[in-house]
This record gives sequence, C-alpha cells and structure tokens, in this order.
Amino acid sequence: AQSVTQPDIHITVSEGASLELRCNYSYGATPYLFWYVQSPGQGLQLLLKYFSGDTLVQGIKGFEAEFKRSQSSFNLRKPSVHWSDAAEYFCAASADRGSTLGRLYFGRGTQLTVWP
Amino acid sequence: ETGVTQSPTHLIKTRGQQVTLRCSSQSGHNTVSWYQQALGQGPQFIFQYYREEENGRGNFPPRFSGLQFPNYSSELNVNALELDDSALYLCASSYTGELGEQFFGPGTRLTVL
Repeated sequence: AQSVTQPDIHITVSEGASLELRCNYSYGATPYLFWYVQSPGQGLQLLLKYFSGDTLVQGIKGFEAEFKRSQSSFNLRKPSVHWSDAAEYFCAASADRGSTLGRLYFGRGTQLTVWP
Repeated sequence: ETGVTQSPTHLIKTRGQQVTLRCSSQSGHNTVSWYQQALGQGPQFIFQYYREEENGRGNFPPRFSGLQFPNYSSELNVNALELDDSALYLCASSYTGELGEQFFGPGTRLTVL
C-alpha cells in the first residue's frame, strides 16, 4: 500500500539556520511527490513538486527538495530559515498511473518552530 | 483568478446530525477532491469528482457522499455524524491536464459534540 512517512513530528531551528525536513515514501513505482505548507487557519500551499527529470527541484520561498530513488526519500531543504517559515509542512505522494491517479497521500506533517 | 473557496468556515453539529460542506473550485479547474484532516494528522483522501461523477474514493464509509455541479463546484455530505468526524475538511481543485497538482481551499472546521 502507498504510504508517506515524515519521521520528525516537531523541529525547532534558529532564524538563519539551515533546515532539512525528512520524507520517505513507499510506493510500487516512482510516484509524483509534493511538499505543502500549512499555516494556522489556512489551507495547504504547494511549495514544490517532482514529477520526473532533474532530481533537485526548486520551489517557492527559497525551498528545494531532492528526490533520491535509492533511499525512497524526498527531503525538503532551505539554506536559511526566516521566522515566517514557522508552519506545518506536509510531504505528499500521488501515483503516476492506475486507479489511484490524482489522489494525494500525505505524511502526518512536521511542525516547524523558528527561534528568533 | 479566484482561488478555491469553502463554506462555512466553522460548523458545530451534534452526533447523529447531517452536514453539508461546500466548495467552489478555482477557475479553469474541472476536478474536485475532498480530504479530511484530523487534529495532528495529515489530510486523508475522501473522494474525487470529475465531470459530476465520483472518480475514486478513499477508505470512508458510504455516509460520506458528494456532488459536483456543472460549474465544477462541489458538496460534501456527511450523514449520521460521529464524534470522530470532527476534523478540518479540505477541498482541492485541479485540472486533469495537470495530474497531481491540486490547489487547496482554507477548509471547513467541523466539530461534532
């Protein structure tokens, strides 16, 4: 069965420090992969996506993610965190074919706290 | 370009009641998906509608049902509410030509007492 795992429930970093949020997926084939961010009282905003091709993808707000097939991972990174990045981050996957095409499977999320 | 909108923002119901949540999709989008996000969890796929028909369903009982209208807006109906139905319900719209990329509304917070 398809699943997405985010091992870290809560991460705290200082403003200006680098950030890496982990995501692992379990799929029969290479899925489409996404990172979303959710601020309190708001819906999910897409940060970046991976469909195929270059394994390092750039997103909005200075975020990037690297797809590693051998590790079934799609970790999110940012070189310097800003206080406004404090939010909950969700990794999601979708099948690239078949009956579950178009469904997003989400991890349970990582809550990011940024210290000033 | 208008984004995805949902109504109402918040809702309080009692166990056994029925509820209808509404979603207007983003302009140009023809597919709507609904997700349930329980507190402290990631969103879970409920179902998807395309061309006014259900096009895939997650692991939710039949008391969760939906509709999609000709203008691509959608409703989520939940009958016989249970306490565990308390959650944030998210609607996402997409266009079938852009597989997997979904745009989310702000959600409806449902509390069942």
